[in-house]
This record gives sequence, structure tokens and C-alpha cells, in this order.
Amino acid sequence: NAGVMQNPRHLVRRRGQEARLRCSPMKGHSHVYWYRQLPEEGLKFMVYLQKENIIDESGMPKERFSAEFPKEGPSILRIQQVVRGDSAAYFCASSPPTASRGPGELFFGEGSRLTVL
Amino acid sequence: AQSVTQLDSQVPVFEEAPVELRCNYSSSVSVYLFWYVQYPNQGLQLLLKYLSGSTLVKGINGFEAEFNKSQTSFHLRKPSVHISDTAEYFCAVSDPRGNTPLVFGKGTRLSVIA
Repeated sequence: NAGVMQNPRHLVRRRGQEARLRCSPMKGHSHVYWYRQLPEEGLKFMVYLQKENIIDESGMPKERFSAEFPKEGPSILRIQQVVRGDSAAYFCASSPPTASRGPGELFFGEGSRLTVL
Repeated sequence: AQSVTQLDSQVPVFEEAPVELRCNYSSSVSVYLFWYVQYPNQGLQLLLKYLSGSTLVKGINGFEAEFNKSQTSFHLRKPSVHISDTAEYFCAVSDPRGNTPLVFGKGTRLSVIA
């Protein structure tokens, strides 16, 4: 019974490069959430997706960041032209379809830690 | 908009002593409340949640929390901590009316000292 799988666990990029973070939700889950964790700041919501739809992207920076959750395959958080301030842990969480889920009960992956040199 | 304040960023406590981690929320509507735990280099794991009903909620690993609507608080307690409880604890709030994302506090780092 695999949980939420994120890869890579650690990613190092130089300024200006692109970072791609992948998230496979738990089996049967159709909702995916991305959060960013900066030191001393807790988790900040970035984006909420269902298959092929972005439901809420109110926490996404306006530039360089994008997310998708295609019909087939994992959800991907893409950061273009990374800067040092993008260094953080990025967590993906999933939840089951609305009819069967406990409200707000998110299941988290172990995170992807991005370091920008 | 909803927000969560965790009043203590760090809480050191001796092993077998009781602990309380404080959480206050701000919301103009009814809320769902959660506590999550994060062990080093891992993701978040749900400890307990309040949706409705009894204001005293029991969770895993001997933790419990009490919802106090008049004080807008949801403090987490454990009567006797263990070394293995050393972790970061996050309080979170959500709006029951829709598929809104969880809003997290900044976290409290619990350090249990032998």
C-alpha cells in the first residue's frame, strides 16, 4: 500500500536552470496539493489540482512556477530559471475523491529538497 | 481568511514530563482543526483532527487536543513524553464548506531531553 511518492528526494540546481519535481498520489486519490516549506516559516500552500485541472493556484508565484496533473502519470511542479530563494522543501499531498474523504485529511509525501547554488 | 498562530517556536521538555503545544486560529466561520507531526527528513503525518462533536479529541501516540471555541484555541497535550516524540508539530485549519486547502501554522519544534 504505497503512500505518496515524491522524486527526486534531493535536487541541486544552479541559478537559471530548471527544476522538475514529481508526485505520484496514493492509489485511489485524485486530488493533489503542493506545499513549500521554508526554514522557520512552516508550510505554505502553493497549488491544488485534480486530474487535468488546476482547482486553486492562489499560492503559486506569478512567474517561473507551474504545475500540472495529467490524465496519466504523476503531478509535476516545474520551476524555471531557479534562484537561490527557491531553495526549500516541496511537499506533495493527496486526498481521495470528495465523497469519501475525511475533510482536510491530507496524506503527505516525504518531500523534495531543492538546493539552488 | 483563516490563519493559525502557534505561539511557541521551540519547546524543550524532559522525558516523562507533560507537554502542551499551543495553537490559536482566526476564522470568521466554523472550522476543522488538525495537528500534524513531522519527524526529521520526513513528510507530515496526521496526529488528530477536530471536525465536530466532542471538544476533546484523542489521537495517535497518546496525544490529545481540546477545541475551545470561545478562546479560538486547539492546544495539543501529552501527559508524559518520550524521546521519540521529538519532532516538529503543525497546527492546521480548514473551511468545512468546500475543498479549500489546509492553512498551517509555522510549527513548534518539540525537543525531548533525556
